[in-house]
Order: sequence, then structure tokens, then C-alpha cells
Amino acid sequence: EPEVTQTPSHQVTQMGQEVILRCVPISNHLYFYWYRQILGQKVEFLVSFYNNEISEKSEIFDDQFSVERPDGSNFTLKIRSTKLEDSAMYFCASTPRPNTGELFFGEGSRLTVL
Amino acid sequence: LAKTTQPISMDSYEGQEVNITCSHNNIATNDYITWYQQFPSQGPRFIIQGYKTKVTNEVASLFIPADRKSSTLSLPRVSLSDTAVYYCLATGSGRRALTFGSGTRLQVQP
Repeated sequence: EPEVTQTPSHQVTQMGQEVILRCVPISNHLYFYWYRQILGQKVEFLVSFYNNEISEKSEIFDDQFSVERPDGSNFTLKIRSTKLEDSAMYFCASTPRPNTGELFFGEGSRLTVL
Repeated sequence: LAKTTQPISMDSYEGQEVNITCSHNNIATNDYITWYQQFPSQGPRFIIQGYKTKVTNEVASLFIPADRKSSTLSLPRVSLSDTAVYYCLATGSGRRALTFGSGTRLQVQP
């Protein structure tokens, strides 16, 4: 069964460093998402991406964040200068059809900012 | 934006049927009710979706009454591996971003 894959599974970084989280969505999916989940809290929407541009973003997704689809398979989330409060699980998701309510999530990348 | 309300937690024992109710009093005409499951340190996983009446798949059943103001996720004969957080969402209506609430934390005991 095709799945969304994410790397790295865990990254530890120092405050102020840049981090890039990578995702390979399911191959025939066209809509991509990043969510995050701080330990013990809700799954929070960050950004959605379609046709090489951001479709929607939340208040969390400020200028420190950016997304990119650098080639035909990868979808990346960059955090330019990490803060302690960026420590969380970051989930990538994709879907062939938005508005169906069915997103396919990856296993997540755990980011720890020290 | 339809708000959903569900119990914070539930406990059950292996082999029992578990019913998790979600209320969504202001659900829009075009919204579907969608349930996700999340195991610790994993991404949410779609389990079932419905609009009205009953939907059943290999994992669960979903009951939605005619007024659609609530829905019930039914997990038959739960096992320890069903211990997870279950999220009820109203989806569709042109919105692309899913909004997850706090979910229901189901703990299955032996």
C-alpha cells in the first residue's frame, strides 16, 4: 500500500539553527499538507500546498516557515531559525482530492530544539 | 465552521464494543463526518466517513441519525491495539484544511 514517507524520523537541533524536514507524498496525490503536534497537544494545521503554491496557511506558519516542492517527489518544510517552542512532531500529509476529508499522513518527524 | 464535541477519554476492556459519540449541532449541509485514529507518536489515520445513516467497514461502524447533529463511532470487540486517540471531524464544504480537536483518548485494558 502506498504511503507518505518522512525524513528524518528524529532531529535534534540547537536554537537558531535551520531545519529542513522532508516528505515524499503518495505519487498520484496533488495536495500536500504539513501539520504539527506539540507533545500532549492537538494536531495543528500549518500549511497546504497545491500546484506549486501555498493554498492555505495558519497563524502558526509565520515567516520562519517555508515549504517547497523542489522536484517531482519531495515536499519540504523549512524552519529558518528554530525556537524552543518549535519542538514538536511534524506530520506531512497528502490527498488526491481535497474536501473529501481523507488525508494520508506520514509517520512524522520529531523535532527537538535545545 | 462546524464544531465537534466528544468525550475527553474512555476506558474499556478487551472484547467489549466501544461507542464514542460526537456532537456537531451546527454541521453544514455539505459536511461529512470523518473519524481518524492516532496511535502514540504516529500520524492520524483515516478510519471511516459518513453523511447519514450507517456506514460500516472492516475497522468500525459509524451511525449518523437523520438530524445529523451527532454521530457514533462503534468499535466492535476492541483489543489492546485499539488504544488510541479518536478524532471526530466535520469535513468538506470547500475547506481544505482539516481541523483536529482534542479527540477521545480510548484506553483498552486487558
